[in-house]
Amino acid sequence: NAGVTQTPKFQVLKTGQSMTLQCAQDMNHEYMSWYRQDPGMGLRLIHYSVGAGITDQGEVPNGYNVSRSTTEDFPLRLLSAAPSQTSVYFCASSYSSAGETQYFGPGTRLLVL
Amino acid sequence: AQTVTQSQPEMSVQEAETVTLSCTYDTSESNYYLFWYKQPPSRQMILVIRQEAYKQQNATENRFSVNFQKAAKSFSLKISDSQLGDTAMYFCAFFRSGTYKYIFGTGTRLKVLA
Repeated sequence: NAGVTQTPKFQVLKTGQSMTLQCAQDMNHEYMSWYRQDPGMGLRLIHYSVGAGITDQGEVPNGYNVSRSTTEDFPLRLLSAAPSQTSVYFCASSYSSAGETQYFGPGTRLLVL
Repeated sequence: AQTVTQSQPEMSVQEAETVTLSCTYDTSESNYYLFWYKQPPSRQMILVIRQEAYKQQNATENRFSVNFQKAAKSFSLKISDSQLGDTAMYFCAFFRSGTYKYIFGTGTRLKVLA
C-alpha cells in the first residue's frame, strides 16, 4: 500500500510554462484534494473531487485546472506558471467526503522563476 | 465563512514537559469535525487527532489529547511528556459536513528543547 504518491518532488519552471503535478492513491478513496502551502498562510485548498468525474473549486483555484477520470488519479495542471505559484503543493485523499481523516502525499516543491 | 485561528505562531517547551496549542474556529453549524495535523521537518503531514463535534468526550491519542469546548468554539491540543520528535509545525483543521472543504489554520511551530 503506497498511500498517496506525488510526482515530481521538486520542479523549477520559467514564467509562462505549463506543467502537471501528478497525484495517485491506492486506497480506493473517493475524496481527493489539492492544497498549496505558503509561509504564514497554512494550507489553502485549490481544488477537490468527491469522486471520478466530479471536481470543484476550493479557496484559491485561479491558474490551476484539475480532472478526475479515475478514482486513483487526480492531476493538477498549471496552465501558465507565474512566480506567485511558487509554493509547496500537497495532494490528499480520504475515504469519503464526510469529514474523514485525510491522508497526505509527500508534497511537491515548485519554484517559478 | 468558516475560519480557523491559531494565535500562537511559535512555541517552545522543555523535553518531558506539557504544552498546549490553541485553536479557535468560527461556525454557526453544529455538525462538523476538527483535526490536528503534525508536519515535521520532513514536510509529511500526519494526523495527530480527530474530533467529531457531536461527541462531548475529548479525543485522546497516547500523549496527545484535546480540550474541545464547543460553546466557546475552542479546540486546543495538549502534548504531555514532550519528546524531541514532537518538534514540528502543528495545524488545526475544520470540516463542516456538506461543504466538502477542509479549512486549515496558519499553524504553530513547536520546538521541543533538550
